[in-house]
Amino acid sequence: SQTIHQWPATLVQPVGSPLSLECTVEGTSNPNLYWYRQAAGRGLQLLFYSVGIGQISSEVPQNLSASRPQDRQFILSSKKLLLSDSGFYLCAWSDRGSNNQPQHFGDGTRLSIL
Amino acid sequence: RKEVEQDPGPFNVPEGATVAFNCTYSNSASQSFFWYRQDCRKEPKLLMSVYSSGNEDGRFTAQLNRASQYISLLIRDSKLSDSATYLCVVNVGVRFGAGTRLTVKP
Repeated sequence: SQTIHQWPATLVQPVGSPLSLECTVEGTSNPNLYWYRQAAGRGLQLLFYSVGIGQISSEVPQNLSASRPQDRQFILSSKKLLLSDSGFYLCAWSDRGSNNQPQHFGDGTRLSIL
Repeated sequence: RKEVEQDPGPFNVPEGATVAFNCTYSNSASQSFFWYRQDCRKEPKLLMSVYSSGNEDGRFTAQLNRASQYISLLIRDSKLSDSATYLCVVNVGVRFGAGTRLTVKP
């Protein structure tokens, strides 16, 4: 069966520090991969999605970036975090090929910026 | 108009009640629809897909109305464990609603 791993579960970082969140998927090949952010009490905001290695689409311009160095690995990064980057970050995968497949989420990373 | 809209609630209902949520979408080209459940401080989990003809899974029934561009979720015989936020998803562009919060009380 497919599983998705996301770490760390919680992270506290100072303003201006770098960020690297990692997500890996097992049990499937060529998945679509997604990064979302959820602010407290708000809905999910799609940040990035990827349909293949090295292929990243950005939904919202910001100081975050994403990379997909391997088929089942998706990394969210920032060079300098802002206070507004606080939130709940979720990685998700879906079967490749169309938008008609549901996403399945990792456990999320709760990021607090001080 | 937002791409996907939900009544944020909260819906407070007694155990055993029937409750329904709607979710409207703006893109008429949308082709796939889902309901997710999200518990407090947890990740969303897929509850059910929404098929054109409507579908049922136990106490949960999902319906799609393409003419009026909304999907619905009906929960019968509410349980305390149904308390959560329910998110609708419209997959063209992968859009999530902000969620409807449900609290089932004894």
